[in-house]
Amino acid sequence: DQQVKQNSPSLSVQEGRISILNCDYTNSMFDYFLWYKKYPAEGPTFLISISSIKDKNEDGRFTVFLNKSAKHLSLHIVPSQPGDSAVYFCAATRGGADGLTFGKGTHLIIQP
Amino acid sequence: ETGVTQSPTHLIKTRGQQVTLRCSSQSGHNTVSWYQQALGQGPQFIFQYYREEENGRGNFPPRFSGLQFPNYSSELNVNALELDDSALYLCASGEGTSLSFEQYFGPGTRLTVT
Repeated sequence: DQQVKQNSPSLSVQEGRISILNCDYTNSMFDYFLWYKKYPAEGPTFLISISSIKDKNEDGRFTVFLNKSAKHLSLHIVPSQPGDSAVYFCAATRGGADGLTFGKGTHLIIQP
Repeated sequence: ETGVTQSPTHLIKTRGQQVTLRCSSQSGHNTVSWYQQALGQGPQFIFQYYREEENGRGNFPPRFSGLQFPNYSSELNVNALELDDSALYLCASGEGTSLSFEQYFGPGTRLTVT
C-alpha cells in the first residue's frame, strides 16, 4: 500500500517556464511534507518543506502548496533552469521517530 | 560544516553473507536514519537511532540491525543477505527536534548481492 504517490514518472518543461510536480498521499496522520531533489550517484538533497498547518511555503524559485482536504501537494519551480533537471521525491512523515515515507519520484527534464 | 558521508561507495557480496555499512552524520545532528532504495523506487525507511538507541523502525526484518556511536557515527548491519537486498543504502542525519523533520542524506552505498 503506497501512502505517498507521484503519478508522473517523468515531466519535460522548457527552460524559463514553470515546472509543477504533483504528489498525493493517503495517510491523514502525516504532519509534515518535504521535497527532495536527487542527481545520479548522489543522495537526495532537501529542497523545501511544509507543515500540515500551512497551505503554502515559498523559498526563492521553489513554492510548495498543500491541499489537506484533497491530500495533495505540489512543488512549483519558477523559472525552470537546466540545473533543475533531476529526480524529485515527495516525502511525508508523522514526525518523531517515524522516518520519511517517499513517493517513487518524478524525473524532471528541463529542455533548452 | 561537513555533510553526511558513507563508506564504502560500492560493495559486492554473496547471498548468505553479512555486510556492515558505515555513516558519519552531519555535524550537530543527533539522529541518524537508514533507508533502502531499490531501482526505480523511492527510499524506504529502515530504522532511526537517537542518542544511541533505536527509536523507530520501518517494515524490515530483524536481520537488519544498526548501531549509533557517541560521536553520532552509525553502522547498518545486514545478516543472511538475500538477492533482494541489492539496493542503494542511504544514511540521513537530522536535528531530532519537533521543530525540524528535515533529514540530510549521504551519497549512499550501492550493495550488490550475487
